[in-house]
Amino acid sequence: AQKVTQAQTEISVVEKEDVTLDCVYETRDTTYYLFWYKQPPSGELVFLIRRNSFDEQNEISGRYSWNFQKSTSSFNFTITASQVVDSAVYFCALSEEETSYDKVIFGPGTSLSVIP
Amino acid sequence: ETGVTQTPRHLVMGMTNKKSLKCEQHLGHNAMYWYKQSAKKPLELMFVYNFKEQTENNSVPSRFSPECPNSSHLFLHLHTLQPEDSALYLCASSPLQGTNYGYTFGSGTRLTVV
Repeated sequence: AQKVTQAQTEISVVEKEDVTLDCVYETRDTTYYLFWYKQPPSGELVFLIRRNSFDEQNEISGRYSWNFQKSTSSFNFTITASQVVDSAVYFCALSEEETSYDKVIFGPGTSLSVIP
Repeated sequence: ETGVTQTPRHLVMGMTNKKSLKCEQHLGHNAMYWYKQSAKKPLELMFVYNFKEQTENNSVPSRFSPECPNSSHLFLHLHTLQPEDSALYLCASSPLQGTNYGYTFGSGTRLTVV
């Protein structure tokens, strides 16, 4: 069965600090997809990144970076030089190839507060 | 403005009321989803529609009744709800089945059952 764990429930950092959000997943599939979503106070989940299981290259997008390590089943997300606008709940998610539709399982989320 | 629009944004209803939540997307997506987000709980998948056909009902009580008249619209009809049904109900869509591109979410309907 697939499962996503985000052990950090809440994190507080001071503005301009770097912060890493952890994500550990479980799956029996060899082909799967990992995602990160951001949920600001307004409510909607915003798609940040999608990574398939065959692509282990780390990715950087501005202040955001993602570290995918199949050996430890982790897909961690780092925000560099955090800003107040980064305050949100962040969800890691997993989708297995064998489903006939996009069935995504979400982790419990990490609530990030960036203090000015 | 999100590509997925949900109305109403907030809803307060009594346990004997009947109401409906609406979701609309004009992204050309063919799969639509209802998720429930309760405080302190992970997002729970409720229903999945693919090309207007329901493909998943995740053991949701019958007091929640989905309807998908076309690929652009999704409804969640509510009747005789319980206070524990109070939550944020999120609609999402995705392009095609099995492609795992990720979802586009609406802003949700914050439902309070009194």
